[in-house]
Amino acid sequence: GIQVEQSPPDLILQEGANSTLRCNFSDSVNNLQWFHQNPWGQLINLFYIPSGTKQNGRLSATTVATERYSLLYISSSQTTDSGVYFCAVTNLSNDYKLSFGAGTTVTVRA
Amino acid sequence: KAGVTQTPRYLIKTRGQQVTLSCSPISGHRSVSWYQQTPGQGLQFLFEYFSETQRNKGNFPGRFSGRQFSNSRSEMNVSTLELGDSALYLCASRWYPSSYEQYFGPGTRLTVT
Repeated sequence: GIQVEQSPPDLILQEGANSTLRCNFSDSVNNLQWFHQNPWGQLINLFYIPSGTKQNGRLSATTVATERYSLLYISSSQTTDSGVYFCAVTNLSNDYKLSFGAGTTVTVRA
Repeated sequence: KAGVTQTPRYLIKTRGQQVTLSCSPISGHRSVSWYQQTPGQGLQFLFEYFSETQRNKGNFPGRFSGRQFSNSRSEMNVSTLELGDSALYLCASRWYPSSYEQYFGPGTRLTVT
């Protein structure tokens, strides 16, 4: 199956700092999603971005499908940004099943 | 529009018992998928249902089963519970086949003692 690698595994930030999370994948994808898992376990949709660039407030994401990676940018981080960020993908042969990376745990300190 | 809902949110069961979890998708979404999240294995796909039929199944033993009703609500069942079944079970829905984007519910946290 498709492999998804996220880096770094852990990130500690001071409030107000900017950061970049990376997601590498091993095959062509038809879906790439970024999620934020809240403390209660729910996966919150951040971006649906199989290619291109999107922005939503302080968050933005870029996927370069031809080079098989995606980046999530957090600007002016806040303590509420803390949590685990997951990248997940599907490809044409497995379009039903999201394959998840191991996640990046972000801790934002006041 | 209401999101994906799951019940119950928390459950404690004893080894050997069985459990049923419920998921109601976003209105209009007919595809429902289930995932298991554990600290050791991360997030793993269990199965997907569409139009009351299981389309796909992940690599889990037959103790894990599910079904989907005509209103797209889905249930998953785990029989003969083992300690290793303790996990967060997440349900997701999507607007199949038009969209690949999946939306997740809040999850059911199952503890097996």
